[in-house]
Amino acid sequence: EAQVTQNPRYLITVTGKKLTVTCSQNMNHEYMSWYRQDPGLGLRQIYYSMNVEVTDKGDVPEGYKVSRKEKRNFPLILESPSPNQTSLYFCASSSWTGIANEKLFFGSGTQLSVL
Amino acid sequence: QKEVEQNSGPLSVPEGAIASLNCTYSDRGSQSFFWYRQYSGKSPELIMFIYSNGDKEDGRFTAQLNKASQYVSLLIRDSQPSDSATYLCAVNWRTGNQFYFGTGTSLTVIP
Repeated sequence: EAQVTQNPRYLITVTGKKLTVTCSQNMNHEYMSWYRQDPGLGLRQIYYSMNVEVTDKGDVPEGYKVSRKEKRNFPLILESPSPNQTSLYFCASSSWTGIANEKLFFGSGTQLSVL
Repeated sequence: QKEVEQNSGPLSVPEGAIASLNCTYSDRGSQSFFWYRQYSGKSPELIMFIYSNGDKEDGRFTAQLNKASQYVSLLIRDSQPSDSATYLCAVNWRTGNQFYFGTGTSLTVIP
């Protein structure tokens, strides 16, 4: 089954404790990205990657890191989480036709609470 | 100006009616447009995508794109209570390789 797998589904942590949210896709997609979703602000892009070892900042990258060492994996790293990073996070992937991105497939989301 | 704007609603329609959802966007050249549906606490799922001016129909859903006026809309015919969700408009600008989402319109279909 084609899917984007995100883990964990729920995460409660404390300020300053490093954490990683994993994301893996089995569709051989070139494009992967991370979003956070907050009430009234919608989905905002954190980072995206066009392919292995190619990453770029989205609109809200501060406080986040990513890496793309393998095509299928795109982990999101919070080196020193703060309460303002409490949010619902989504990983997504899509194929690239050479001209445009096709539709985004989303993971099931990670609800992060930073105390 | 925001890249993508939607009326947040809530929009309420009776069962069987047509629901009309609208989205306006900034003009930044070549774009692709997507409509996603999101149930509370769930991930967005694609309903429609459209690249060219005009209408595109898929079952009860019709996407309409007007590039001259910079808007894209989604019509849901014969609305069902199961259509109650938040609808997200998304635009992909090929030059930037980024997807921009509107804040979503909350739709409630009343039985």
